[in-house]
Amino acid sequence: DIQMTQSPSSLSASVGDRVTITCRASQGISNSLAWYQQKPGKAPELLLYAASRLQSGVPSRFSGSGSGTDYTLTISSLQPEDFATYYCQQYYNTPLTFGQGTKLEIK
Amino acid sequence: QVQLQESGPGLVKPSETLSLTCTVSGGFISTYYWSWIRQPAGKGLEWIGRIYISGSTNYNPSLKRRVTMSVDTSKNQFSLKLSSVTAADTAVYFCARVPTGGDSFDIWGQGTMVTVSS
Repeated sequence: DIQMTQSPSSLSASVGDRVTITCRASQGISNSLAWYQQKPGKAPELLLYAASRLQSGVPSRFSGSGSGTDYTLTISSLQPEDFATYYCQQYYNTPLTFGQGTKLEIK
Repeated sequence: QVQLQESGPGLVKPSETLSLTCTVSGGFISTYYWSWIRQPAGKGLEWIGRIYISGSTNYNPSLKRRVTMSVDTSKNQFSLKLSSVTAADTAVYFCARVPTGGDSFDIWGQGTMVTVSS
C-alpha cells in the first residue's frame, strides 16, 4: 500500500494568512493526488485533483502543486470558512489511501 | 445535481453483517465508478472499495475477505455488505462517486453512522 504522510498534523493560523500543507507519498504517484476539506459532522469535499486542478466551484485561493512523492496544498489568504481538516488522497494505485489529516484551527 | 444518500441500520451486532445502500438521485448511476469510504470517530478516512455498473469490483485488501459490493441500475443504487463485524468496524460510512479520469471522489453522501454493539 502507498502510505500518505501529511504535515503538520495541526496548524493554527489567522484570517488572511497564507498556509501550506504538505503530503508525502511512500512512492512516486505521478500527480495522482486529490485534496479534500472536511468540516465537523460533514462529508469531505473535493478541492483539487491531479495535484493541481481546481474542482469546479472551489475558490481560487486554494492551489496545489508538487510532483513525484511530494505535494502541497496552499491557501493564499485564509477565510473564516477555511478552518477545517484537510486530507490528501492518492489514486495512483489501489488500495486508494488517505493522509492522516491536517486540522487547521483559528489562532 | 447528483446527490447520494446512504441508508441502513445504525446498529449492528458483533459477528453479524453490516448492510448499507447508497441511492443516487439527480443523475444516472451508469458510466461511473462508485465507492464506499469509512471514518471512525475522530479518525481518518479508509477506502473500502469501488464498483462499476458492470459489477466489476476492487476492494481494499485489508477488508477484502469480508466485503461484498453490488449495484442495482434499475433502482440507481449500489450496496455494501461487511460480514463478521466487530467494534473496530464502528464508523461513519460514506458513499461517493468516482469521476471519469481518476479515482478521486467528487460527490459524497452525507454519511451514516454505524455502531457495532450487542
